[in-house]
Amino acid sequence: GAVVSQHPSRVICKSGTSVKIECRSLDFQATTMFWYRQFPKQSLMLMATSNEGSKATYEQGVEKDKFLINHASLTLSTLTVTSAHPEDSSFYICSASSGQIYEQYFGPGTRLTVT
Amino acid sequence: RKEVEQDPGPFNVPEGATVAFNCTYSNSASQSFFWYRQDCRKEPKLLMSVYSSGNEDGRFTAQLNRASQYISLLIRDSKLSDSATYLCVVNRNNNDMRFGAGTRLTVKP
Repeated sequence: GAVVSQHPSRVICKSGTSVKIECRSLDFQATTMFWYRQFPKQSLMLMATSNEGSKATYEQGVEKDKFLINHASLTLSTLTVTSAHPEDSSFYICSASSGQIYEQYFGPGTRLTVT
Repeated sequence: RKEVEQDPGPFNVPEGATVAFNCTYSNSASQSFFWYRQDCRKEPKLLMSVYSSGNEDGRFTAQLNRASQYISLLIRDSKLSDSATYLCVVNRNNNDMRFGAGTRLTVKP
């Protein structure tokens, strides 16, 4: 149980384009989903927290107009990186929580490369 | 000061060795604590929760000292497959989790 999927697993895009990453909880209802970013040899950094049906809460320093988050259902959240730049190249990981216990289940991550 | 601090390592140990990782956290209101394991280019996976009474899962023992705001993980009889980065994770409240930068472990034959 508690499986989270992400799609795509890897994406290469050109600078200036937008990329959408999907995060799905496959066997439970995720009341809360989290988006993290991890640069090489660094820890996961929380970007935003989203609750189903409401606006995401962004961490300080994360531009909400650049990283659009939608959590329209209890099993799906999307992160859109708009007007991507090479410095946005990173490993993006989502996680999901059912809210019952203080644990998060992580997706396998999406490796974004912006050329 | 980072909210969750870990010794980045790397720890290079032979198979069969016992190795211990430490972690300190700054927010005294933190509510729950975990150790996650992350393999290279993979997502973190929950290794174990950490309780004040201490808990053990096979070769792994985790302990929490709330007074000192300190968490530890002990791995006994290290296996090659234990090689990974170990992340100390602190849940501030309501699933607001903060990650340490991780401690790299390499177990060598």
